[in-house]
Amino acid sequence: DVKVTQSSRYLVKRTGEKVFLECVQDMDHENMFWYRQDPGLGLRLIYFSYDVKMKEKGDIPEGYSVSREKKERFSLILESASTNQTSMYLCASGGGSGNEQFFGPGTRLTVL
Amino acid sequence: GENVEQHPSTLSVQEGDSAVIKCTYSDSASNYFPWYKQELGKGPQLIIDIRSNVGEKKDQRIAVTLNKTAKHFSLHITETQPEDSAVYFCAASKYSGGGADGLTFGKGTHLIIQP
Repeated sequence: DVKVTQSSRYLVKRTGEKVFLECVQDMDHENMFWYRQDPGLGLRLIYFSYDVKMKEKGDIPEGYSVSREKKERFSLILESASTNQTSMYLCASGGGSGNEQFFGPGTRLTVL
Repeated sequence: GENVEQHPSTLSVQEGDSAVIKCTYSDSASNYFPWYKQELGKGPQLIIDIRSNVGEKKDQRIAVTLNKTAKHFSLHITETQPEDSAVYFCAASKYSGGGADGLTFGKGTHLIIQP
């Protein structure tokens, strides 16, 4: 089974803090993704990566950056957290043979 | 960019009955359409998907149909059971073989199975 793990299930940060969300996958997938999930809005794509050190903006990249130094690890960075970034953050990974994506359990981030 | 509309937002059915959730998409270049099930406190789980070169796919009690001309696809669950209660998301994306594209999701359907 594909396993995608995220560093924290719950996180509380203060406005202006720098926040790191970590994601690790164990299936040697080329592609990794970060989404945020908000009630009534579904899941929205923030950033994705199709190779080490490569990144592509998704639909809502403002206020976020990412880092992929190793194939199995993809980090989402909030440079200066704001209250409107309070959300559930979901990481996914997928192989190159198709577009199947497998999700981690999510990190619920609260910014006070 | 792609836009995916999903209906209904809430669906309540009696146990044993069928449930149908419908989605439409806007980008005719989209060629991959997955469905995810999300239970409380968990990440979305891929339950079935379909590519644009087929019209229907079935896996036990669940099936997905695709109408490329009308740009809509549907999830069908037969003989519903209490464990089918969850939020279901449809999604769409383009895959060109040269790297991934992100998924565009519908807003979700809360399926409630009444005993």
